[in-house]
Amino acid sequence: AQSVAQPEDQVNVAEGNPLTVKCTYSVSGNPYLFWYVQYPNRGLQFLLKYITGDNLVKGSYGFEAEFNKSQTSFHLKKPSALVSDSALYFCAVRDPMFSGGYNKLIFGAGTRLAVHP
Amino acid sequence: KAGVTQTPRYLIKTRGQQVTLSCSPISGHRSVSWYQQTPGQGLQFLFEYFSETQRNKGNFPGRFSGRQFSNSRSEMNVSTLELGDSALYLCASSLRVQGDTEAFFGQGTRLTVV
Repeated sequence: AQSVAQPEDQVNVAEGNPLTVKCTYSVSGNPYLFWYVQYPNRGLQFLLKYITGDNLVKGSYGFEAEFNKSQTSFHLKKPSALVSDSALYFCAVRDPMFSGGYNKLIFGAGTRLAVHP
Repeated sequence: KAGVTQTPRYLIKTRGQQVTLSCSPISGHRSVSWYQQTPGQGLQFLFEYFSETQRNKGNFPGRFSGRQFSNSRSEMNVSTLELGDSALYLCASSLRVQGDTEAFFGQGTRLTVV
């Protein structure tokens, strides 16, 4: 079964410090992985994705993520956090081997990032 | 380029009623998916449409249904509303059906069932 785990409900970091939001996944084949961010009373905004190729992918607003196949992880990172990065972050996976539908996303429970001044 | 548009933004309905939510995808996007977001269950897939055909359906009762029109706009309907249907309903559009394309989400419709 496909699944995504975000082990931390909340991550606290001081402004200017690096941040990491963790994500691990379970799929039957090679995964397509995504990160989204949600601000209060808003929909989800796409940050970045890993499909194939370079394990380090760069996305919007200075975020990047590293795909690690052996650890089945796709952690989101940013070298220097901003207070405006405070939001809810979701990791999601698609399993290309799943024949029922190509665009179904399986989401993690979300991690609330709080960046303190 | 306009984003995904969902209407209405907020709805209050009474138990037993039915509701229809609307989604207009990004121009040129033909795949539309719907998700339910609740504090307890998180983000859950409802269904996906492409070329007016339902391609996949999540684990929701038959009270939840949807459709897609020839212009790719989509609607979802919930009949016989229950208190537990209170949620943020999100629509997402994608350019292709291949899973390597990102989904773009609307701002959602907040449904409250009283």
